[in-house]
Amino acid sequence: DAMVIQNPRYQVTQFGKPVTLSCSQTLNHNVMYWYQQKSSQAPKLLFHYYDKDFNNEADTPDNFQSRRPNTSFCFLDIRSPGLGDAAMYLCATSRDRGARSTPLHFGNGTRLTVT
Amino acid sequence: KNQVEQSPQSLIILEGKNCTLQCNYTVSPFSNLRWYKQDTGRGPVSLTIMTFSENTKSNGRYTATLDADTKQSSLHITASQLSDSASYICVVSVNYGGSQGNLIFGKGTKLSVKP
Repeated sequence: DAMVIQNPRYQVTQFGKPVTLSCSQTLNHNVMYWYQQKSSQAPKLLFHYYDKDFNNEADTPDNFQSRRPNTSFCFLDIRSPGLGDAAMYLCATSRDRGARSTPLHFGNGTRLTVT
Repeated sequence: KNQVEQSPQSLIILEGKNCTLQCNYTVSPFSNLRWYKQDTGRGPVSLTIMTFSENTKSNGRYTATLDADTKQSSLHITASQLSDSASYICVVSVNYGGSQGNLIFGKGTKLSVKP
């Protein structure tokens, strides 16, 4: 019944070694989001795609990039992970953008560890 | 500054008891308010969404209230179960007009239900 699927669930990478996290959805939603969530903190929006239109948050580091090759898939690339990038990364989708009363559907996240 | 404050930060209750979680916000212009449940190691799951004109909304044993005048919301859990142990996150949507929007996340209340 999973509708937003994130792989892998756990990812370990070395300091400075590029890593890619993936997200797929079966909801055919227009919008896909990437959030970073650190322990006991609220999720922080990194960027989102409205269809093919990429929207970066002003305070998202350049180290974080994203790709959306088609409606179903979205990738988060961390070019040179630092120790401070260790976190849970959540992918979410919605039919419309945030102001509308459409819920966000979250995946179960990828927990990234940087060694 | 748009902010969402939740209280208490954490709460322990006995199975079968009721509890109420609070959310205060200073968000303008307001679009809607959402409550999410996040189990440990999982992505958040939507419980309710309320717009300006809605005072209360229920989802099973979960009942959310909204007072748009005082900018307060509560989530009441009736007859708690062990599976209710989770973080509960209040999210307020800012309406920038059109299809644009922004979601302001609270830090969550961590609820532990003990047998």
